[in-house]
Amino acid sequence: DAGVIQSPRHEVTEMGQEVTLRCKPISGHDYLFWYRQTMMRGLELLIYFNNNVPIDDSGMPEDRFSAKMPNASFSTLKIQPSEPRDSAVYFCASSAGGGGTDTQYFGPGTRLTVL
Amino acid sequence: SQKIEQNSEALNIQEGKTATLTCNYTNYSPAYLQWYRQDPGRGPVFLLLIRENEKEKRKERLKVTFDTTLKQSLFHITASQPADSATYLCAPGGKLTGGGNKLTFGTGTQLKVEL
Repeated sequence: DAGVIQSPRHEVTEMGQEVTLRCKPISGHDYLFWYRQTMMRGLELLIYFNNNVPIDDSGMPEDRFSAKMPNASFSTLKIQPSEPRDSAVYFCASSAGGGGTDTQYFGPGTRLTVL
Repeated sequence: SQKIEQNSEALNIQEGKTATLTCNYTNYSPAYLQWYRQDPGRGPVFLLLIRENEKEKRKERLKVTFDTTLKQSLFHITASQPADSATYLCAPGGKLTGGGNKLTFGTGTQLKVEL
């Protein structure tokens, strides 16, 4: 398996623009997680899905952030409008189960810079 | 609120020595704890899982302990090598009030193994 795939790997945009990050989980994994990593706050869980259904979005910082999972092999994280404080590395991860003891497999991340 | 603390300062040790990394947590009673390794520009990679009823877990040169009384986990790398240089993240997890099994990551400790 190719592992978790994220695109783009790098994104530079201007404040106010819409940004869409994409993720393809490992085939057969029922759980998908979106994280954001910054030096100050570390790795924060934004939202996670089980069988394409959002289970917990309490980590989504504000209404400018939205996530969808239209099918088992694709998810998007959208920021509209983007702000400089959104600059971070965004990771997508998937796991076979959601029991918490299941290993999470992370993608390579998308480095977002908002100017 | 939950708080997870890892040494924010980098840990520098000599090759061949044992590296010990600390993870402390408060306002939290996790049922298990995972450790991940993260290399620059990459996503975290799972290393070990330890459950609350396990005092110690080993995998090759890695050893993890979990003291639920002290609310602490220690991560040891014996006979350390320069290739072990990376950031190590602890992630307690377990069923939370309101449902959901999710991991909460610490900010990580950077380990540098010198020749």
